[in-house]
Amino acid sequence: DAGVTQSPTHLIKTRGQQVTLRCSPKSGHDTVSWYQQALGQGPQFIFQYYEEEERQRGNFPDRFSGHQFPNYSSELNVNALLLGDSALYLCASSPSLGVTDTQYFGPGTRLTVL
Amino acid sequence: EDQVTQSPEALRLQEGESSSLNCSYTVSGLRGLFWYRQDPGKGPEFLFTLYSAGEEKEKERLKATLTKKESFLHITAPKPEDSATYLCAVPGRSSGSARQLTFGSGTQLTVLP
Repeated sequence: DAGVTQSPTHLIKTRGQQVTLRCSPKSGHDTVSWYQQALGQGPQFIFQYYEEEERQRGNFPDRFSGHQFPNYSSELNVNALLLGDSALYLCASSPSLGVTDTQYFGPGTRLTVL
Repeated sequence: EDQVTQSPEALRLQEGESSSLNCSYTVSGLRGLFWYRQDPGKGPEFLFTLYSAGEEKEKERLKATLTKKESFLHITAPKPEDSATYLCAVPGRSSGSARQLTFGSGTQLTVLP
């Protein structure tokens, strides 16, 4: 049973560029959440997708946008990159929108902005 | 604002030396508390979910407990392979944040052989 997968593993960009990160959820899961984790900190919630719609959003600017496809996979887009966007970006999937449903995380994409 | 605080920030143990990690939270009407383990540069790995005060769950050398204001992760006779950062997280209290997890900053555990 494949778990959550993310691509690419690592990415280096320069300030002002745009980046797209990809996520495939665990088999049987239809809800995808994205988190940003700075070094030495816990993950911070960016947004959550279900049925191809953004259902909840954390305190992140509009430069962060996403998409969910009919096969439940998801993309995270970040425009006009800033140095402060350097972080580990984590995708998590869960079987439904239930509050108490466990979220399972992928290995993450390490984004470095120079 | 929902708050999750973990202590200590870092903990060094000798192999076999048992200890506990703490996670305190300010969310009222808790709808679950999650523990994860995270190895360097990797995504968090799910360990436990606790739903109500008094609940306990165990997995190998780990036992998680929950009270009305905090949770403990007890590590019994740890081994070097237990070295990792342990994160706890809670869902938001409001309808607008119910499905987002708020994480603590984690406890970095090092078990020395």
